[in-house]
Amino acid sequence: DTAVSQTPKYLVTQMGNDKSIKCEQNLGHDTMYWYKQDSKKFLKIMFSYNNKELIINETVPNRFSPKSPDKAHLNLHINSLELGDSAVYFCASSPTGYGYTFGSGTRLTVV
Amino acid sequence: AQKITQTQPGMFVQEKEAVTLDCTYDTSDPSYGLFWYKQPSSGEMIFLIYQGSYDQQNATEGRYSLNFQKARKSANLVISASQLGDSAMYFCAMLDSGYALNFGKGTSLLVTP
Repeated sequence: DTAVSQTPKYLVTQMGNDKSIKCEQNLGHDTMYWYKQDSKKFLKIMFSYNNKELIINETVPNRFSPKSPDKAHLNLHINSLELGDSAVYFCASSPTGYGYTFGSGTRLTVV
Repeated sequence: AQKITQTQPGMFVQEKEAVTLDCTYDTSDPSYGLFWYKQPSSGEMIFLIYQGSYDQQNATEGRYSLNFQKARKSANLVISASQLGDSAMYFCAMLDSGYALNFGKGTSLLVTP
C-alpha cells in the first residue's frame, strides 16, 4: 500500500502541450509538496500546501499551477510545456515540521 | 544564499570500509532539523536519518550515524561497513522556519568491491 503515489511515472510530451501530474498520500499528513529535480540532481521546492492552503509558492513560471482538492491530494498542472521543463518532479508529504515521505517521482520529458 | 553545502560531488569507498559524507548548513533559527536522504539509481528518495538541533546525542540508525557538530554547523553522515547497495546519491537537507526542506547538491557515492 503505497504511502505517497504519483502518476504517471513517465511522461513524454511535445512542446506547447498541457499536462498534469497527480499525487495522493494515505499517511494522514497535513502538508504536501512539489519538488523539481533538475538534470544536475538538484532538488528545489516549488509549492507547498497545508490542509489545502497554499503556503509556499517559490519563483516558478505561472504556467505551473498546483491544485489541492483535499489534504490527501496535490496535483500539478503545467501549461504550454517548454524544453526546460524536462526534469523529475517529486511529490512529498509530511506531518508539519517533520521529515518528508517522497513519491517515486515523475520523469517529464518535453520534446 | 545556499543553506546546505555538500562539498564532495563524488566519493569512492571500498566495500566493508566506513565513509563520511560532509554537510554544512547555515541558519539563524535556534530550532531546526537536519536530514539525510539516499537516492539510488532507481530514483526514489529514501529517508535515512534525522537530527534535531536540540538533540543532545548524535542520531544513529543501523549502519548510519550523523556526526552533529552544532558550533561548526556541520552534520556529516557516516556509513559504516559499506555495502555495494550503498552506491547512490546522498542528500543532506535542513528544515528550519522556512517550512520546506532545503537540499544540498548531493554527493555521489560509489562502493567498490
